[in-house]
Amino acid sequence: KQEVTQIPAALSVPEGENLVLNCSFTDSAIYNLQWFRQDPGKGLTSLLLIQSSQREQTSGRLNASLDKSSGRSTLYIAASQPGDSATYLCADGGSQGNLIFGKGTKLSVKP
Amino acid sequence: SAVISQKPSRDICQRGTSLTIQCQVDSQVTMMFWYRQQPGQSLTLIATANQGSEATYESGFVIDKFPISRPNLTFSTLTVSNMSPEDSSIYLCSVWSGALNTEAFFGQGTRLTVV
Repeated sequence: KQEVTQIPAALSVPEGENLVLNCSFTDSAIYNLQWFRQDPGKGLTSLLLIQSSQREQTSGRLNASLDKSSGRSTLYIAASQPGDSATYLCADGGSQGNLIFGKGTKLSVKP
Repeated sequence: SAVISQKPSRDICQRGTSLTIQCQVDSQVTMMFWYRQQPGQSLTLIATANQGSEATYESGFVIDKFPISRPNLTFSTLTVSNMSPEDSSIYLCSVWSGALNTEAFFGQGTRLTVV
């Protein structure tokens, strides 16, 4: 059974720093890996999807990488801003659209 | 991307009662899902809502407790029945187009508190 783990559980950084969020998974037979953002009391916003055949995806200041052999994905956020403060979730995407989530990393960017 | 409207956004309910949550999508989608997010935890899949047939439930979730309807390709409901304080969670609707390696989209969630 797939297990998705995110470390650290919480992270606090000063504004302007570059940072990396980590996601690991136990079963490398994934279709894709998705990163989401969740603001307090809100739903999820999709950030990036990396297909199993891809190594990375980029959107603006965000870059996500995928290493299936090691069971790891990272989300790199460049030049962090206070507006980036949120919980970031990674999820293993199944062939039927169902997702297995990690517990998330709560990011706080201090002005 | 799909626009998903989920209602209510939050509710406070008495134990023993039931609450029905609605999920409306602005376009036809192949797959609709319901997730639960307990306090301090990540999202767990409750079930897949199947159009015109019974939902497919994940281990640990049963139809009597979480009846689901999906009368068409744009609408689904989740009922939380005979509620107890342990049911206090955020419930989220998710949709997927059915095309492999495309994103899933989520509603804003329903924050349920059972007292």
